Amino acid sequence: GAVVSQHPSWVICKSGTSVKIECRSLDFQATTMFWYRQFPKQSLMLMATSNEGSKATYEQGVEKDKFLINHASLTLSTLTVTSAHPEDSSFYICSKHTGSSVIQYFGAGTRLSVL
Amino acid sequence: GQQLNQSPQSMFIQEGEDVSMNCTSSSIFNTWLWYKQDPGEGPVLLIALYKAGELTSNGRLTAQFGITRKDSFLNISASIPSDVGIYFCAGRSGNTPLVFGKGTRLSVIA
Repeated sequence: GAVVSQHPSWVICKSGTSVKIECRSLDFQATTMFWYRQFPKQSLMLMATSNEGSKATYEQGVEKDKFLINHASLTLSTLTVTSAHPEDSSFYICSKHTGSSVIQYFGAGTRLSVL
Repeated sequence: GQQLNQSPQSMFIQEGEDVSMNCTSSSIFNTWLWYKQDPGEGPVLLIALYKAGELTSNGRLTAQFGITRKDSFLNISASIPSDVGIYFCAGRSGNTPLVFGKGTRLSVIA
């Protein structure tokens, strides 16, 4: 069964609004979660590593003030796209390790469409 | 960020045919993973490889961890229509996040 639950699966918003995406760990607690962005017909690009109780680590070129990550509990990480613009339209996917494994499991993704 | 070289980019095959795709890296990995992604979904893990030379099967799927630790391949035997999707390789070294290939888009013609 799924070990990562991501919500919502699809969101449409107006330009300038903020959107929050939730990622929940369903089995083990996750001190670390990952956020990826995927444009059509492209691969997954890591945006940031979300650390429980501390600041997220952002990849080069990802604006931390634009993509706010909160990992306040061991089972929930959130990504907020602030003041969204059409170029932020993309497929956002979260991921986590399970237990002590190096394997990453992924959520079902959130398709964001900014009008 | 860093990416793996995955080939081919796309494949069109007849149902029943075997499929092979591979990934290469300029750096050594200690874990190779193969995922499948259906449209509008997140990637789903197919096979995980942990040791150089390891050959692992999952039903009709077989993957190998290259001896040099810089490459891996995935084979699908006797393809069926539900094999359609995008297949990604991913590699990891130490505690670094996964690095993904660009994907192989598989189309199966019934």
